Amino acid sequence: DIVMTQSPLSLPVAPGEPASISCRSSQSLLHSNGDNYLHWYLQRPGQSPQLLIYLASNRASGVPDRFSGSGSGTDFTLKISRVEAEDVGVYYCMEPLHSYTFGPGTKLEIK
Amino acid sequence: QVQLVESGGGVVQPGRSLRLSCAASGFTFSRDAMHWVRQAPGKGLEWVAVISYDESNKGYADSVKGRFTISRDTSRNTVYLQMNSLRAEDTAVYYCAKDRAVTGRLGMDVWGQGTTVTVSS
Repeated sequence: DIVMTQSPLSLPVAPGEPASISCRSSQSLLHSNGDNYLHWYLQRPGQSPQLLIYLASNRASGVPDRFSGSGSGTDFTLKISRVEAEDVGVYYCMEPLHSYTFGPGTKLEIK
Repeated sequence: QVQLVESGGGVVQPGRSLRLSCAASGFTFSRDAMHWVRQAPGKGLEWVAVISYDESNKGYADSVKGRFTISRDTSRNTVYLQMNSLRAEDTAVYYCAKDRAVTGRLGMDVWGQGTTVTVSS
């Protein structure tokens, strides 16, 4: 079974500061078509999840450009260039290539 | 606007059945794959099932395989999750989500508000 890990699991960040979340997969998410099948979701407190980044590095519609995704194969990163109050919530990576497995989530809070 | 509205949740005894519905509006329902994702109380997200745009392909999490069935009715713009032989560990908020593509692998870009299922005697 594929295992998705995230670090850190808790991330306190001051407003205006950058933030970075790592996601690792136990199996490669690089498809033969050249795409990395790794998505990032944000679940704000009390809300449904929303898609932030798809295929490792593509921002979903309406997502601010302070969010960026990178990585390939088994190692991926979500970066927020300048954290704002509305970014509070739990960030999940998820692979749709093998068994649609979510990572455990990273809880971002404002310092 | 693009919207998904789940219904059908409730309290059910272990071993019983429940059917969840998800009504879609604001987009061409027949074009995209659809998912069910659940979240147990205080826990993370767990993918449950996916159905392709034309129902030709379906997939299930190992935890629900053989007990849950996903289906869709294009005439009603609705996706369903039939849940049989329910267990206490199936207690969760169940979200319906639309995929960006027919295959169900390009990201869930629209989510419903969720419906709560509680399995308890």
